[in-house]
Amino acid sequence: DAKTTQPPSMDCAEGRAANLPCNHSTISGNEYVYWYRQIHSQGPQYIIHGLKNNETNEMASLIITEDRKSSTLILPHATLRDTAVYYCIVRAQTGANNLFFGTGTRLTVIP
Amino acid sequence: DAGITQSPRHKVTETGTPVTLRCHQTENHRYMYWYRQDPGHGLRLIHYSYGVKDTDKGEVSDGYSVSRSKTEDFLLTLESATSSQTSVYFCAISELTSGRAVDNEQFFGPGTRLTVL
Repeated sequence: DAKTTQPPSMDCAEGRAANLPCNHSTISGNEYVYWYRQIHSQGPQYIIHGLKNNETNEMASLIITEDRKSSTLILPHATLRDTAVYYCIVRAQTGANNLFFGTGTRLTVIP
Repeated sequence: DAGITQSPRHKVTETGTPVTLRCHQTENHRYMYWYRQDPGHGLRLIHYSYGVKDTDKGEVSDGYSVSRSKTEDFLLTLESATSSQTSVYFCAISELTSGRAVDNEQFFGPGTRLTVL
């Protein structure tokens, strides 16, 4: 699975959009981009995933660049409860279902 | 929330003692996983199971064994605990809901904090 690079930490004002970047320049054609988050002391929680098209669900939007070498997770209106570590993961379509977590981005939403 | 429980939630033990952690699910999902989480490493896969009695090693399997005798339970055993196995252990489950592995999100349990003295 391709390696991902994320900034270690970010701040965002409550009510504003949080834009979390992820670089995955070695991604291959059959690899998907996943985002999970982990709120303090809890297990990770799935947010969204995509291949090449932008995706949106009730939690967030995922914007993937045309060359697929980077992506951005967007939380449209961040709340204090969105404070968490956000993990960007690249995984192939086939093979074992295990996820390779890096160290992620610690997002702090500020009142 | 997915029906995943882990027991015990906290445990303190001594070096050299055997320890078994239990993951129990009520979702009837086929896949189950054990991860450990340590500062600076994120989560790392220890072992996983793709069915009853079907298991395989993950990234950091040395010193750990697993068993899955029924769909709902996945046990992680440390035969002789060492201080390097002090960690937070997470169980996860997933299922082939759409027939494509890539669409299958993993649901995580609340974690077990293990301290080996």
